[in-house]
Amino acid sequence: ETGVTQTPRHLVMGMTNKKSLKCEQHLGHNAMYWYKQSAKKPLELMFVYNFKEQTENNSVPSRFSPECPNSSHLFLHLHTLQPEDSALYLCASSQDQGPTPYGYTFGSGTRLTVV
Amino acid sequence: AQSVTQLDSHVSVSEGTPVLLRCNYSSSYSPSLFWYVQHPNKGLQLLLKYTSAATLVKGINGFEAEFKKSETSFHLTKPSAHMSDAAEYFCVVSGANFGNEKLTFGTGTRLTIIP
Repeated sequence: ETGVTQTPRHLVMGMTNKKSLKCEQHLGHNAMYWYKQSAKKPLELMFVYNFKEQTENNSVPSRFSPECPNSSHLFLHLHTLQPEDSALYLCASSQDQGPTPYGYTFGSGTRLTVV
Repeated sequence: AQSVTQLDSHVSVSEGTPVLLRCNYSSSYSPSLFWYVQHPNKGLQLLLKYTSAATLVKGINGFEAEFKKSETSFHLTKPSAHMSDAAEYFCVVSGANFGNEKLTFGTGTRLTIIP
């Protein structure tokens, strides 16, 4: 385990469902990130939170709704998704959003399939 | 602006032979550079990082990378491949812009090890 825990590991949902992805870290990090990893495409940064405040939304459709109640937890709420949203969703954390020579710590991801 | 180019989408080597995964970068700032590894259905694990100290960086599992500013390269090498090295490898560049960390990921190189 890396110190960043994502649940569930796998999720299958219909286009009309509502579900949530959870990310948790107890590394003392203040910045948390959601990434989308699709086949044959580079990692796409979706959202950034620093000290619980959203600092970046990378033009993500509103059917994805993030929530960061505290620096240790990050959620991604999903509703009315499309099949093209099927991907591996990765959560990451870092000490803060300033220059970090230590890189990010990633979770193992949630494999999402939209049917 | 910054970018990273992984020159090979797929590399195959025989077990016990050297590994070379190539990465070129561009950055307007003094960059930090990373290599991450992703095994199937797993998150990204940090292999090694360059942060303006020694230009030859040693990482986990026998991997190392050399930062060459004149060539804007950060190639990943390993003297002798092991079956467990089969995975996807990502070169990542980061550069701080007014204090906000920006990570840019390459498209990945899939490493296959031939028994």
